[in-house]
Amino acid sequence: DAKTTQPNSMESNEEEPVHLPCNHSTISGTDYIHWYRQLPSQGPEYVIHGLTSNVNNRMASLAIAEDRKSSTLILHRATLRDAAVYYCILTVRNAGNMLTFGGGTRLMVKP
Amino acid sequence: GAVVSQHPSRVICKSGTSVKIECRSLDFQATTMFWYRQFPKQSLMLMATSNEGSKATYEQGVEKDKFLINHASLTLSTLTVTSAHPEDSSFYICSARRTSSYNEQFFGPGTRLTVL
Repeated sequence: DAKTTQPNSMESNEEEPVHLPCNHSTISGTDYIHWYRQLPSQGPEYVIHGLTSNVNNRMASLAIAEDRKSSTLILHRATLRDAAVYYCILTVRNAGNMLTFGGGTRLMVKP
Repeated sequence: GAVVSQHPSRVICKSGTSVKIECRSLDFQATTMFWYRQFPKQSLMLMATSNEGSKATYEQGVEKDKFLINHASLTLSTLTVTSAHPEDSSFYICSARRTSSYNEQFFGPGTRLTVL
């Protein structure tokens, strides 16, 4: 399975943009890049996903490198409620997009 | 968006008893549901994949006789922890997959199990 590498933790100031990196150098052509986040004592929440092109939604933006070996989740304006563990996950389309969670990045937002 | 519920949200039981956790997809049908376990400060670990009308597929190291999974309908899967022990205390999370172009997966809020 293609693996992802994320920093263990990051800090951000409230109302500033946050760029969460993810390396996935062994990604294959049919792997989707998913981002989920988990707030304390809650189940994971879908954030965004993409395949090749950059993606935007109401929660965040996903910037995918041209070679697809890395991606960046962008929170345009961090709030205290964005403090969570963010997981970057590759899913194999042929395998029904099973999710395998790694360690994720714990984002701390300072007021 | 799709909603997945879990019941109960929190349960405390005595060692040796069995506990049943329900996972429901409220506004969509889910042929496949997943059960995860998460210990403190750790990531989610997939325990088993539950398919409606068939036997669950368990991940390596997960005892199928201890963690009984039933997926009797397209909106309900249950996980029963049999003869629970303190080491089974954990956060159990289910997810349901909605068939779409890329098979979206939606997570429940989790069930905190404490075995005394």
